[in-house]
Amino acid sequence: DSGVTQTPKHLITATGQRVTLRCSPRSGDLSVYWYQQSLDQGLQFLIQYYNGEERAKGNILERFSAQQFPDLHSELNLSSLELGDSALYFCASSVGWGAGGRTDTQYFGPGTRLTVL
Amino acid sequence: GENVEQHPSTLSVQEGDSAVIKCTYSDSASNYFPWYKQELGKRPQLIIDIRSNVGEKKDQRIAVTLNKTAKHFSLHITETQPEDSAVYFCAARPPLRYNQGGKLIFGQGTELSVKP
Repeated sequence: DSGVTQTPKHLITATGQRVTLRCSPRSGDLSVYWYQQSLDQGLQFLIQYYNGEERAKGNILERFSAQQFPDLHSELNLSSLELGDSALYFCASSVGWGAGGRTDTQYFGPGTRLTVL
Repeated sequence: GENVEQHPSTLSVQEGDSAVIKCTYSDSASNYFPWYKQELGKRPQLIIDIRSNVGEKKDQRIAVTLNKTAKHFSLHITETQPEDSAVYFCAARPPLRYNQGGKLIFGQGTELSVKP
């Protein structure tokens, strides 16, 4: 158990719908990262928040958005869902923001499996 | 953009043999290289990592080597056991000039199968 929690574990929804994925980082970690894992694309970085502020952005679709709240938990919002959005969504956390050193080790949560029908 | 190539995509070894997985990264200034193990349906778990100021790191049966000149790094598992069977991912962190954060670029993964 990494200490990172994600809810829900599974989500089944229809095309065009909107869903929210939730992540709580390890105690003491200030950074939250979101990754998407699909069969053909591997693990793809979506976005990082550090202490409430967006820190780095990957190839995240405009239909996707995220935020980090004052208690440091994060939510990833996926809207206008398409079949191709079906994937495992992982959240990871680290102490630091990426400057280097031991504080940047990323620990992954158990993931949310999203199925869009 | 940043890219990490990983080979082989599948690897089958006999229990007790060694396994080697290789990765190549595109940006020579990348500075951090972790390896993750992912069992089916589970989270990626960090097994070892290396930073750009170190050439080699070992932890029991697992070792990682880094060749900055060639821009590649490798995972070595000795005395493999059936419980080593999983998908292994390498990753690289791009330098701060491209990435004001800690994002990781992952390789495509290697499915390791250890036959008893």
